Amino acid sequence: DIVMTQSPDSLAVSLGERATLNCKSSQSVLYSSNNKNYLAWYQQKPGQPPKLLIYWASTRESGVPDRFSGSGSGTDFTLTISSLQAEDVAVYYCQQYYSTPYSFGQGTKLEIK
Amino acid sequence: QLQLQESGPGLMKPSETLSLTCTVSGGSISSDSYYWGWIRQPPGKGLEWIGSIYYSGITYYTPSLKSRATISVDTSKNQFSLKLSSVTAADTAVYYCARDLRNGGWFDPWGQGTLVTVSS
Repeated sequence: DIVMTQSPDSLAVSLGERATLNCKSSQSVLYSSNNKNYLAWYQQKPGQPPKLLIYWASTRESGVPDRFSGSGSGTDFTLTISSLQAEDVAVYYCQQYYSTPYSFGQGTKLEIK
Repeated sequence: QLQLQESGPGLMKPSETLSLTCTVSGGSISSDSYYWGWIRQPPGKGLEWIGSIYYSGITYYTPSLKSRATISVDTSKNQFSLKLSSVTAADTAVYYCARDLRNGGWFDPWGQGTLVTVSS
């Protein structure tokens, strides 16, 4: 099974500053035949279900603000929020869908400094 | 706009069988492009994929729950269901249903979730 590990567990960033969240998989989630990374990012606000932000590691879901971007390949991935807004306070999860059982990271809680 | 809605009992006793249904509206569960999944989240904790089903009945489960979980589909009602047997307090969680892209594997959209509490 693939284990997903996120860092840090919590992060405080000032409004308008950059937030960088990391996700590491225990084995590569890059599928060589199509050169795609089977990695998604979600945002979860209190009392709400997770919301898909990014898939294929770097493809932004329709309607997601362009201050959110995903990068990385193989086993190391990053979600970057270029200019933190108050509404971005949430827990962020990465998920691998390279193989079943699908697995999520433990989450990074993002707060305002 | 596709919407999913979970339904089921909120409170259960240990050893009972949890039974939840997810009703899909705004689209067909029989689409060949999607699987349909169950994910749970214990209070204050992270997300755990339980399993997914294709409209034809093909299923995938996480190994740790495979012996207790059964996911089924009713295409006539545009619903899919989760049964989890012999529940314990460790099964207390918010249970979400979500659409799972067949040629991907990410989940979108999600239902609002339903809290199931297991307590004697």
